[in-house]
This record gives sequence, structure tokens and C-alpha cells, in this order.
Amino acid sequence: DGGITQSPKYLFRKEGQNVTLSCEQNLNHDAMYWYRQDPGQGLRLIYYSQIVNDFQKGDIAEGYSVSREKKESFPLTVTSAQKNPTAFYLCASERQGSNQPQHFGDGTRLSIL
Amino acid sequence: DAKTTQPTSMDCAEGRAANLPCNHSTISGNEYVYWYRQIHSQGPQYIIHGLKNNETNEMASLIITEDRKSSTLILPHATLRDTAVYYCIVRVTNTGGFKTIFGAGTRLFVKA
Repeated sequence: DGGITQSPKYLFRKEGQNVTLSCEQNLNHDAMYWYRQDPGQGLRLIYYSQIVNDFQKGDIAEGYSVSREKKESFPLTVTSAQKNPTAFYLCASERQGSNQPQHFGDGTRLSIL
Repeated sequence: DAKTTQPTSMDCAEGRAANLPCNHSTISGNEYVYWYRQIHSQGPQYIIHGLKNNETNEMASLIITEDRKSSTLILPHATLRDTAVYYCIVRVTNTGGFKTIFGAGTRLFVKA
């Protein structure tokens, strides 16, 4: 079945450590997104990419980095510069230029040890 | 994209219709209304969307007022599994999702 796969489901980070969250889609979508969700809150945009080898900062990009070397993949790195990384991270994709909705993965929950 | 206003929480009895309102008074003519829901610790799930006509699918119905300033999502026979946070979003479709704003949504509790 087509969809978005995020891994791992749970991730723990030590202080000062970088960690990378995986997001893969087989929907042939051009655009991919990373959101952060804190308890009881909505989604906030971290980074987005509308085409391979190009990406743009969202509203809360500080302390995060991304790459888009392949259409199917959009990994997110949470760097040590992100002082409050504990959150639920969601990846999404969509076909641009249509009224079709965004598709979401099932998220990665990141916690600090 | 226009912002939306939704009640923080709602209750519904199992088997009854759940009617979730959304205000989007600043919606522009080319913005669609989308509804998603999120069950705890999962990603948001798309439910339905529309421009100005009422829409129905296997999950729900979407009623959009004639002036398009508000809409209602209807779950015709709510079950316990419909307990979730429901998000109402408006966005222009020829731009990217980077303009999509997910607020806090409405937390729906379906009670037996």
C-alpha cells in the first residue's frame, strides 16, 4: 500500500547528541514536510521541501536540519542546538498544485535521557 | 491562508450524530476547507474537504454555509473509536502545505 513511513516510533537522545528521524514516502509526491507537536497543541512547521535538492525553513527551524537527496526521502536531524527537543514529530507529503490533502506518517516521539 | 476557530472540546453520545463547527470568516474565494482528525499518538488522518458545495464520503459529511464563513463536520453515527482531535483547516490548493495552519482543534469525546 502507498503511504508514509516514519522511523523509529520512539527515540531517545542524550544531551549534546544529534539524532536523525527518517521519513519515506512511496506516493510519488513532490512536496514533503516536517512538523513538531507539543502536548495539547497544534502542529508547527519545521521545514518543507517542494522539490528534490531544495528545502525551506518553516516557523521553527532553529536547531533542526534536513536534506532532500531523493524524492522519496526527507530525513530530519535534531541537533544539539535544539534545547527543547522533546516532542512528537510528524512527516507529511502531498501532490502539489492539486486539491488533494496532505498525507501524514504515524510520527516519531523523541525524548531526552 | 485564513485562520479557523473551533471549540476546544465537545461530547457526543455513542450512536448519535456528532456535529463539529468551524468558523473561517476570513476565507477567500479560492480556499478549500479541509478536515483531519488525530487519534492519540498517531498522525493526522484526512477526513473530507470541500470548496462551497456540501460533500459526503464514507466517513463524514461536510456542510459549508452559503457565505462560506463557517462549516460543520458531521459524523452521522459516532462510535467510541471516533474519539479524537478534529482539525479544520482552510488553504489555497495551488500553494504548498507550508501555508497550512493546524491549530489546537476540537477534542471530541464519544461516550457510551
